[in-house]
Amino acid sequence: KQEVTQIPAALSVPEGENLVLNCSFTDSAIYNLQWFRQDPGKGLTSLLLIQSSQREQTSGRLNASLDKSSGRSTLYIAASQPGDSATYLCAVPGGAQKLVFGQGTRLTINP
Amino acid sequence: EPEVTQTPSHQVTQMGQEVILRCVPISNHLYFYWYRQILGQKVEFLVSFYNNEISEKSEIFDDQFSVERPDGSNFTLKIRSTKLEDSAMYFCASSLDRGDGEKLFFGSGTQLSVL
Repeated sequence: KQEVTQIPAALSVPEGENLVLNCSFTDSAIYNLQWFRQDPGKGLTSLLLIQSSQREQTSGRLNASLDKSSGRSTLYIAASQPGDSATYLCAVPGGAQKLVFGQGTRLTINP
Repeated sequence: EPEVTQTPSHQVTQMGQEVILRCVPISNHLYFYWYRQILGQKVEFLVSFYNNEISEKSEIFDDQFSVERPDGSNFTLKIRSTKLEDSAMYFCASSLDRGDGEKLFFGSGTQLSVL
């Protein structure tokens, strides 16, 4: 059974810092991995999807890496801004039709 | 940009009542999903739906739950007799292709409170 873990559970940094969020998964036989952003009381916004054949995916100030063999992914946020404050979730396929989510990292960027 | 829309945003109901949560997936998507998130817990898969039938469901999705695509645009989740533990944020999602290879697009959720 696929399990996804994210550390840290919460992170608070000053504006402008670069930061790394971590995600680990127990079953490395995955097709892809997605990173989502969740704002309080809101839905999930897909940020990046990395296919199993890729090692990295970039979108603006966000860079996600995937190491299937070690069961790990990282989300790197460059030059953080207060608007980046949110909960970041990673998710991997846990079967043909479903995603298994981590518990998220709650990120606060202080002005 | 196309988006998944959910109504209502908040639903309050009494224990034992039936509720229907509504979703309009992105128009050209073929796969539809319901997920839920109990406060402080992980987002959990409930059910996936393709070609007018359930393709996969979780242990949570028992006989109290049902899904339907009543017309060409709506996708609904019905809870027949709500329990206190059904209180959660319910998310609808859709994808163009199977979820294991495709990006999922999520709605903004319906916060269900069972009293």
